[in-house]
Amino acid sequence: TQLLEQSPQFLSIQEGENLTVYCNSSSVFSSLQWYRQEPGEGPVLLVTVVTGGEVKKLKRLTFQFGDARKDSSLHITAAQPGDTGLYLCAGYPSGAGSYQLTFGKGTKLSVIP
Amino acid sequence: DSGVTQTPKHLITATGQRVTLRCSPRSGDLSVYWYQQSLDQGLQFLIQYYNGEERAKGNILERFSAQQFPDLHSELNLSSLELGDSALYFCASSPRELSYGYTFGSGTRLTVV
Repeated sequence: TQLLEQSPQFLSIQEGENLTVYCNSSSVFSSLQWYRQEPGEGPVLLVTVVTGGEVKKLKRLTFQFGDARKDSSLHITAAQPGDTGLYLCAGYPSGAGSYQLTFGKGTKLSVIP
Repeated sequence: DSGVTQTPKHLITATGQRVTLRCSPRSGDLSVYWYQQSLDQGLQFLIQYYNGEERAKGNILERFSAQQFPDLHSELNLSSLELGDSALYFCASSPRELSYGYTFGSGTRLTVV
C-alpha cells in the first residue's frame, strides 16, 4: 500500500492550459514537499508546506496543503513545455522518530508546444 | 549542479557481482540518504546516515550495505546482484538529521545483465 497516492499518474496537455495534480493520504503528515524530476536527473525541491490550509505560490505554480494535513495539490497556470517532468510529493508521516521521507509515485506531466 | 556528486553515472554488471556507488554530499550537509528508484515502485528509501552514524533504515536488502566516512562522503555497496536490482540509485543530502527538503544528486543507473 502506497502511503502517498498521486493522481493522475500521467497527464498530457497543450501549452497554455491549466492543470492540477493531487497528493492524498489516509495518514497525517507534519509537512509535505513537492519535487520535480527531469529525465536523467535527481528530484529538485520546489516547495515545502507545513501548516494545514497553507497556500504557497511559486510564479505560475500554486501549492496547497489540506486543512487536515493529509493531502496536497499543485496547480499550474498556463503550462509551458519547460514544466514537463515528473512531479513528486513527499512527506514525513506524523509521529515520533519518523525520519523516512516517503515519496509518492509521481505524476508524469507532458506539456505539448 | 546540485552540489551532490554521485559516481559512477552508469554501471553495467553481471548477476552475482558486487558494486560500490559513491556519493559526496553538498558542502556543509551532515545527512546522507540513499534511495532506489524503479518504474513500478517509485522512489524507495534505503538508508540514512547523519554525521557518520546510521540514523534510519528503510526496505534495504541484506545484500546491500552503506557507510558514511569521516569526510562525510558515503558509499552504497550492493552484492550478489540480481536482475531485479537494476534501477536508478539516488543519493541526497541535507544539513540536519531531520530536514525540510533534500538536495539530490543525478543518480547512478545500475543495469544488471
